[in-house]
Amino acid sequence: NAGVTQTPKFQVLKTGQSMTLQCAQDMNHEYMSWYRQDPGMGLRLIHYSVGAGITDQGEVPNGYNVSRSTTEDFPLRLLSAAPSQTSVYFCASSELDPTYNEQFFGPGTRLTVL
Amino acid sequence: AQSVSQHNHHVILSEAASLELGCNYSYGGTVNLFWYVQYPGQHLQLLLKYFSGDPLVKGIKGFEAEFIKSKFSFNLRKPSVQWSDTAEYFCSEVTGGGNKLTFGTGTQLKVEL
Repeated sequence: NAGVTQTPKFQVLKTGQSMTLQCAQDMNHEYMSWYRQDPGMGLRLIHYSVGAGITDQGEVPNGYNVSRSTTEDFPLRLLSAAPSQTSVYFCASSELDPTYNEQFFGPGTRLTVL
Repeated sequence: AQSVSQHNHHVILSEAASLELGCNYSYGGTVNLFWYVQYPGQHLQLLLKYFSGDPLVKGIKGFEAEFIKSKFSFNLRKPSVQWSDTAEYFCSEVTGGGNKLTFGTGTQLKVEL
């Protein structure tokens, strides 16, 4: 089991560029989510999905898009990167209903927007 | 709005000292609380969780947490810390009808030899 994988590990973008952060899990988890981690602010939920074809917004969704075409993959898209999106991004997955279930986190993507 | 508060942002302890990290939650309904840890250079992993029952919850690596409903608190404790406990600790609770996990701002713990 690879668990939750994320690519790339590091990325530098210029303002206005677009990119997709990849996330995949091999545990057949229904629930997947994206967080950003910023100093002094903890982790903030960007978007989440409770299954293929179903996504919803979290706490800080502006500037980000997601889709969930398969159970395994949950990519995060930045359509027009801004310096405020400089952060570390974590993908996580769990059994459906994160109320009771442990979240499994990926290793993170460190993104810098110049 | 529901929120999780961690008031200790940086804690420095000597090995063998006792640890208590504060966490206060605000959600007044059914509580589902977690503590996660992030060791340097690693991803977050679960330390312990509370849903119901015994308010004293035991987790991995000798950590425990006590749920006190009257104080809206879920403080993390360890009787004797080790250098390897140096990490960032996050308290979190489930909100939004069960589909959203809200994290506190984290506590950076440094254990000195």
